[in-house]
Amino acid sequence: AQTVTQSQPEMSVQEAETVTLSCTYDTSESDYYLFWYKQPPSRQMILVIRQEAYKQQNATENRFSVNFQKAAKSFSLKISDSQLGDAAMYFCAYRSGGGNKLVFGAGTILRVKS
Amino acid sequence: EPEVTQTPSHQVTQMGQEVILRCVPISNHLYFYWYRQILGQKVEFLVSFYNNEISEKSEIFDDQFSVERPDGSNFTLKIRSTKLEDSAMYFCASSPLGGTEAFFGQGTRLTVV
Repeated sequence: AQTVTQSQPEMSVQEAETVTLSCTYDTSESDYYLFWYKQPPSRQMILVIRQEAYKQQNATENRFSVNFQKAAKSFSLKISDSQLGDAAMYFCAYRSGGGNKLVFGAGTILRVKS
Repeated sequence: EPEVTQTPSHQVTQMGQEVILRCVPISNHLYFYWYRQILGQKVEFLVSFYNNEISEKSEIFDDQFSVERPDGSNFTLKIRSTKLEDSAMYFCASSPLGGTEAFFGQGTRLTVV
């Protein structure tokens, strides 16, 4: 079974600074997708960014980018120019290429200081 | 922008009672899911539904749970006899055919007392 590990229960960043959230996963599959979801205090799950395992290029969405290291099974999220609205719980998630369900990590609480 | 909607946002129920959580997935999506998040814990997969049948379920999804798509727009999760440990946030999600990501609703907070 696939597992997703987020080793940082909590992180803090100063407004306008950059922060990196870590995620590692375990799988024997070669075809899969990885995601970062944001969960603000409203508890809604919001997709931040996704990465297809077959793509070597790291995904980027505005201030959000990933560092995808397939051999190391690592998928970190970098948030540049952090804003107060980025404060939330961030979940890393895995989806098998042949399946539909998401496997989530335990989450990292991100606090942004003004 | 289309979104997944869930009702109610918060439900309080007595232990042993039946509850039905409702979801309206995005209209052209074909895969539907329920996930659960116990307060302070990770989000856990419960069940996926495609072509009017369950395509996958977790060990959490035992006989007290059932899902249904009663019409062309709603997708429901029924818990037959609620237990205290069923208290959680329940998320509905949907994805299109061939789509890679799931779109989540805002969740229903279920409190069993």
